[in-house]
Amino acid sequence: AQKVTQAQTEISVVEKEDVTLDCVYETRDTTYYLFWYKQPPSGELVFLIRRNSFDEQNEISGRYSWNFQKSTSSFNFTITASQVVDSAVYFCALSEAGTALIFGKGTTLSVSS
Amino acid sequence: DADVTQTPRNRITKTGKRIMLECSQTKGHDRMYWYRQDPGLGLRLIYYSFDVKDINKGEISDGYSVSRQAQAKFSLSLESAIPNQTALYFCATSDSKDIATDTQYFGPGTRLTVL
Repeated sequence: AQKVTQAQTEISVVEKEDVTLDCVYETRDTTYYLFWYKQPPSGELVFLIRRNSFDEQNEISGRYSWNFQKSTSSFNFTITASQVVDSAVYFCALSEAGTALIFGKGTTLSVSS
Repeated sequence: DADVTQTPRNRITKTGKRIMLECSQTKGHDRMYWYRQDPGLGLRLIYYSFDVKDINKGEISDGYSVSRQAQAKFSLSLESAIPNQTALYFCATSDSKDIATDTQYFGPGTRLTVL
């Protein structure tokens, strides 16, 4: 069965700290897709990144980076030099071959100035 | 204009009332989804539709029904609302023709309160 675990319920950091959000997934399929979404206080869901199971390259986008490791079934998200605007709930999600998403329960990140 | 719109954005209703939440999209996507979000539980799938003639139950379909009136419209109905259906509801779309990405894009959400 598919499952996504975000063990960190809440994280609090001070501006300019680096922070890593953990995501561990379970799936029986060899083809699957992993996602991160951001939900700011305004409530909308913002797509951040998608990763295919056959592409283990890490990715960097500005202050954001993602580490995908199939050996540990993890897809962790790091924010470098965090800012107050990064405060949000972050969701990791999994889909198998284009089916609907299975979400983790989310990690609430609070960045204080 | 937003690619995925949901109406209403907020709704307060009473137990036993019938409620319809509507979702429209201009992205030209064939796949549409309804999720609900409860605090601490993340998002859970209610129903999904891969084209106009295809409707599928998700993880928590009991108490809900859907209608795919056109490729661009997907409505969620609560036939007789109950308080534990109080939640934030999201519609999402994706494009099966682009299986390499097939990313889901979400509407702004509808906050429903059942008293």
